[in-house]
Amino acid sequence: KAGVTQTPRYLIKTRGQQVTLSCSPISGHRSVSWYQQTPGQGLQFLFEYFSETQRNKGNFPGRFSGRQFSNSRSEMNVSTLELGDSALYLCASSFDGLSSGNTIYFGEGSWLTVV
Amino acid sequence: GNSVTQMEGPVTLSEEAFLTINCTYTATGYPSLFWYVQYPGEGLQLLLKATKADDKGSNKGFEATYRKETTSFHLEKGSVQVSDSAVYFCALSSGSARQLTFGSGTQLTVLP
Repeated sequence: KAGVTQTPRYLIKTRGQQVTLSCSPISGHRSVSWYQQTPGQGLQFLFEYFSETQRNKGNFPGRFSGRQFSNSRSEMNVSTLELGDSALYLCASSFDGLSSGNTIYFGEGSWLTVV
Repeated sequence: GNSVTQMEGPVTLSEEAFLTINCTYTATGYPSLFWYVQYPGEGLQLLLKATKADDKGSNKGFEATYRKETTSFHLEKGSVQVSDSAVYFCALSSGSARQLTFGSGTQLTVLP
């Protein structure tokens, strides 16, 4: 079956702009989570959605937001982009989340460069 | 809070050498432990996992044993191949936290 699909794969934005990234989870998976990967901070958890509700949130400013649709697809948005937002943004899906002992599967990520 | 400390890299080995990447953790409760691998330009792939003390996770010749007494989950492989060159991440999830806490990653390069 198809894996986790993220679009776009690469994008360049200017400081102050906003960006929306999209994630389609594996069919049947209802939990979607997002992570930011940077050389300096490593991999950090952004948030997790389940059945269109945010269940958990990491320690990121309010400029970072997300949502999940009824078909489990998810988007994340970053407003007022800063240079430090340049990163690989990874989406991961699972049937109903980590606490149930499920394995989560990652997409290939969206590379965001802010100039 | 939860944290994962991973062996600093980069690590360079010759093909067929023995690999160990150290990982220790601090966590509340009884965490599940994971090793993920990231090949150049790609996302993360689950390599193996263990969900309780003394469990051994294994996959593709890699192994790691959940050691509660030493809070460790070291990754080992008896004979590495050039194709194993990648970045390896140790991670944990604990209790009701629905998130992974990652180590800093270890870059492995295997030379022919």
